[in-house]
Amino acid sequence: LAKTTQPISMDSYEGQEVNITCSHNNIATNDYITWYQQFPSQGPRFIIQGYKTKVTNEVASLFIPADRKSSTLSLPRVSLSDTAVYYCLVARNDKIIFGKGTRLHILP
Amino acid sequence: EAGVVQSPRYKIIEKKQPVAFWCNPISGHNTLYWYLQNLGQGPELLIRYENEEAVDDSQLPKDRFSAERLKGVDSTLKIQPAELGDSAVYLCASSLEGEETQYFGPGTRLLVL
Repeated sequence: LAKTTQPISMDSYEGQEVNITCSHNNIATNDYITWYQQFPSQGPRFIIQGYKTKVTNEVASLFIPADRKSSTLSLPRVSLSDTAVYYCLVARNDKIIFGKGTRLHILP
Repeated sequence: EAGVVQSPRYKIIEKKQPVAFWCNPISGHNTLYWYLQNLGQGPELLIRYENEEAVDDSQLPKDRFSAERLKGVDSTLKIQPAELGDSAVYLCASSLEGEETQYFGPGTRLLVL
């Protein structure tokens, strides 16, 4: 499975758009890119998944360039409640490997 | 719809004692996972079940850890004997067979003294 690299931490302010970029240089043809969110004292929660180009749901957008060696999770107009750890994963056949994630801290 | 249920939520034991964690996955989810999460780290897979069969237990320390999913629904993860280094959060997750999205429970926080 491809290793992912993402920033350890990020700070932003309420109402801003937050973009978290993840690199996955060794992604394989069959791999999907998935993002999870984890609040303290809770298990991770699926946010979004994509294979290429752009995916959008009610929570976030995921941008994947043509070479698929990186991806960017975009959170529009964040609030204090978006403070959490965000994990970028490359998933294949039910097996996912979590890295350390990005600790996002939203400031008022 | 009920999510993944885990119990207990917290457990404090002395080293060398046994401990067991229980997980009830989302109804209809064939695949069940147990993860271990240390402070400041991402979850690490311990074992994955497809129905009753453990299809990936390569990361399970088999000298002290065991797991079972007898009827392909609930699952139990056991540690015997527990060591200080086993203090962590134990997460259970489930998914539909063939789908990659996993749904996690709240976890059991274990403290070994």
